[in-house]
Amino acid sequence: GQSLEQPSEVTAVEGAIVQINCTYQTSGFYGLSWYQQHDGGAPTFLSYNALDGLEETGRFSSFLSRSDSYGYLLLQELQMKDSASYFCAVALGGATNKLIFGTGTLLAVQP
Amino acid sequence: DTGVSQDPRHKITKRGQNVTFRCDPISEHNRLYWYRQTLGQGPEFLTYFQNEAQLEKSRLLSDRFSAERPKGSFSTLEIQRTEQGDSAMYLCASSFRSTGADLSGANVLTFGAGSRLTVL
Repeated sequence: GQSLEQPSEVTAVEGAIVQINCTYQTSGFYGLSWYQQHDGGAPTFLSYNALDGLEETGRFSSFLSRSDSYGYLLLQELQMKDSASYFCAVALGGATNKLIFGTGTLLAVQP
Repeated sequence: DTGVSQDPRHKITKRGQNVTFRCDPISEHNRLYWYRQTLGQGPEFLTYFQNEAQLEKSRLLSDRFSAERPKGSFSTLEIQRTEQGDSAMYLCASSFRSTGADLSGANVLTFGAGSRLTVL
């Protein structure tokens, strides 16, 4: 089977830094992605790691360690608008390369 | 391009009725996915099209679910004899994969706003 583990909820204050972890056990692995979903909205792509290391995109960074089956999303200089659910997703590779999503982490940013 | 469009946005139906959802992907995208999402959960894979070919269907999907993508453009997802357990948000997503070995572009899914189904 496939499993992706994330914390269910995280709370932080504006301006702070927060890290959302993801550990995975999947039948295949081509890369780890992160998606953001605001309440009532569609998931939107944030970042993607195929290789070990850190990828930085503005205030967001994502890290992958394939040997540990582990990754994280780092959000810096938190803003109220960052309050949302964050999902890690594993691309399984192969012909379909479908994404398997975790259960999501609800981030609440407080003033 | 207006992104991925889904219709209807909301559907309320009685148990036993059939419902159909439509998805119009980004025109340049050759891959189309259907996912289902329930409250507090991540999107769950249902099925996948590469152009007009349906290449994978989740084993969790019952025979009451069918999807098509005629001519490799829009796609429809039909649920027959709906059950209360079918109540969920049905999300469509599209992506582009080049003909080479690089799958990275295929990992960037653009989702539609979803079609919320409520079965009474």
